[in-house]
Amino acid sequence: NAGVTQTPKFRVLKTGQSMTLLCAQDMNHEYMYWYRQDPGMGLRLIHYSVGEGTTAKGEVPDGYNVSRLKKQNFLLGLESAAPSQTSVYFCASTRQEGPNQPQHFGDGTRLSIL
Amino acid sequence: AQKITQTQPGMFVQEKEAVTLDCTYDTSDPSYGLFWYKQPSSGEMIFLIYQGSYDQQNATEGRYSLNFQKARKSANLVISASQLGDSAMYFCAMREYNQGAQKLVFGQGTRLTINP
Repeated sequence: NAGVTQTPKFRVLKTGQSMTLLCAQDMNHEYMYWYRQDPGMGLRLIHYSVGEGTTAKGEVPDGYNVSRLKKQNFLLGLESAAPSQTSVYFCASTRQEGPNQPQHFGDGTRLSIL
Repeated sequence: AQKITQTQPGMFVQEKEAVTLDCTYDTSDPSYGLFWYKQPSSGEMIFLIYQGSYDQQNATEGRYSLNFQKARKSANLVISASQLGDSAMYFCAMREYNQGAQKLVFGQGTRLTINP
């Protein structure tokens, strides 16, 4: 009954360090998404994927890279972390078919860049 | 231009009262879907209710209903008989079908506080 699992849940980085956030889903969903949530704002789409081996840019892609080597996993990378990337990051997934399919979210990763 | 607008940053309601959270949207796509999510203080995003642009009836899901006024481009969430556990952030989101990939655009959210 895992759904969407994000690791890690918390992380503190220094400016310039790199890291990868992992998202795993066990629902066989085609579509996966990475969002960031900043205080006082809704979620904004960073990158998304419509299937294994495919990725595309969202609304705020700069400073991030993603990979979808396996259908169940979607990785978000920060090559050189900046304080402006301090945020809460959410991964989500959904089925390909059906207009009324909600996105299922992970519990989020709280990332602080010092 | 904002695609999803939630004009109430915060709302305070007495327990057991009904509450309406406002959401207006902007799209030229005739096919779209509207979603409401709840985010409690623990941080997770919980799907509440969905309304499709061609749905004839307002969506309902337990104590949640959606007051969909297509001509006004509004999709307000109504919570009946509010409970203390309803205290949370609430987000309205829209999916435009011609954008593909079932991408969602979120509003800024409304923080709902239920007072005992």
